[in-house]
Amino acid sequence: LAKTTQPISMDSYEGQEVNITCSHNNIATNDYITWYQQFPSQGPRFIIQGYKTKVTNEVASLFIPADRKSSTLSLPRVSLSDTAVYYCLVGYSGGYQKVTFGTGTKLQVIP
Amino acid sequence: DAGVIQSPRHEVTEMGQEVTLRCKPISGHDYLFWYRQTMMRGLELLIYFNNNVPIDDSGMPEDRFSAKMPNASFSTLKIQPSEPRDSAVYFCASSLHPTRQDTGELFFGEGSRLTVL
Repeated sequence: LAKTTQPISMDSYEGQEVNITCSHNNIATNDYITWYQQFPSQGPRFIIQGYKTKVTNEVASLFIPADRKSSTLSLPRVSLSDTAVYYCLVGYSGGYQKVTFGTGTKLQVIP
Repeated sequence: DAGVIQSPRHEVTEMGQEVTLRCKPISGHDYLFWYRQTMMRGLELLIYFNNNVPIDDSGMPEDRFSAKMPNASFSTLKIQPSEPRDSAVYFCASSLHPTRQDTGELFFGEGSRLTVL
């Protein structure tokens, strides 16, 4: 399983764009990159998933360079409610999925 | 669908007692996962099932922990005997089988907060 590395914590002011980068140097050919968000006292919630280039949904964008050894989660114009822990996961499709979480990045949005 | 349902939400027990946590996955999901979360160790995968069959239990910390999935709509995680270091939030999650297009979104329950005195 590919190991991921991401910053332990980040601070951002309200209204700013936040970019959280995740390193996954040992990503395999079939691996997908997935990001989850976890609020205090809740279970993680799926945000976005991608394989290459760029993926965008109503919540975030995910940028994946050609070598796929890293990825960046972009949150546009964050608000206080975006304060949470963000997890980057790498896993494969088409077979049994063993989904493991790393330490995550604790994002604190400041008013 | 009501989502993944876990019970109890909170459990306080004394050391040595048996603890049983319950989970009802989303109907139609092939996979069920049990996670444990603590401040020190983060979110740990304990065991996961595919079509009611345990696939990987390498994350189960000790023989005191056991998990079963007697049918597609119910799973239990049991700790016997419980110890103070088992205090944590236990999450259950379910997902569909991954396809060639994605790895399958995990849907988590609200968790069961266990305190062992």
